Amino acid sequence: DAGVTQSPTHLIKTRGQQVTLRCSPKSGHDTVSWYQQALGQGPQFIFQYYEEEERQRGNFPDRFSGHQFPNYSSELNVNALLLGDSALYLCASSRRETMNTEAFFGQGTRLTVV
Amino acid sequence: QKEVEQDPGPLSVPEGAIVSLNCTYSNSAFQYFMWYRQYSRKGPELLMYTYSSGNKEDGRFTAQVDKSSKYISLFIRDSQPSDSATYLCAMIAAGQGAQKLVFGQGTRLTINP
Repeated sequence: DAGVTQSPTHLIKTRGQQVTLRCSPKSGHDTVSWYQQALGQGPQFIFQYYEEEERQRGNFPDRFSGHQFPNYSSELNVNALLLGDSALYLCASSRRETMNTEAFFGQGTRLTVV
Repeated sequence: QKEVEQDPGPLSVPEGAIVSLNCTYSNSAFQYFMWYRQYSRKGPELLMYTYSSGNKEDGRFTAQVDKSSKYISLFIRDSQPSDSATYLCAMIAAGQGAQKLVFGQGTRLTINP
């Protein structure tokens, strides 16, 4: 089992550009959540997808959007990038019935906005 | 005020010491409590999960939850250099659809050989 895989691992973008990050959940998992982790901080919840719909959203602007595909994989899109969007973006997968108490994280995508 | 407060450290202890890591929280709705370990440049790894109050032990790790004080702890016995990492507490509130993890800031721990 490959666990949660994220791509790419590193990314450098220019202010104003758009970026798409990808996540494949752990086998058997149907729920995907995205988190933003700034340097020296704990992860902050962006949103969660289940059955291809956004189920819950944190305090992030509409520039952050996502998608879940029928195979449970997910994408995170960020438009009009700001310098402050530089962070480690983490994908976590879980089974719906575990209430996210056994969430598995990927290694993250480190986004640098210049 | 943040919902979850965690001393960022850094915390440095000698090998073999007992380590105590703590978090406090303000949201009474939190019912599920997790501890994650995060090595540098890696994603968080789930160590332990506890529901409501009480203790849970797994090998050298013990998690405690005191809901009356809104305080949780993680104890590491016989600490090893490989335990050097950032430790994150995380919580989930009960309620329909409320499945987001709310994290503390993380405590950076170094175990010195």
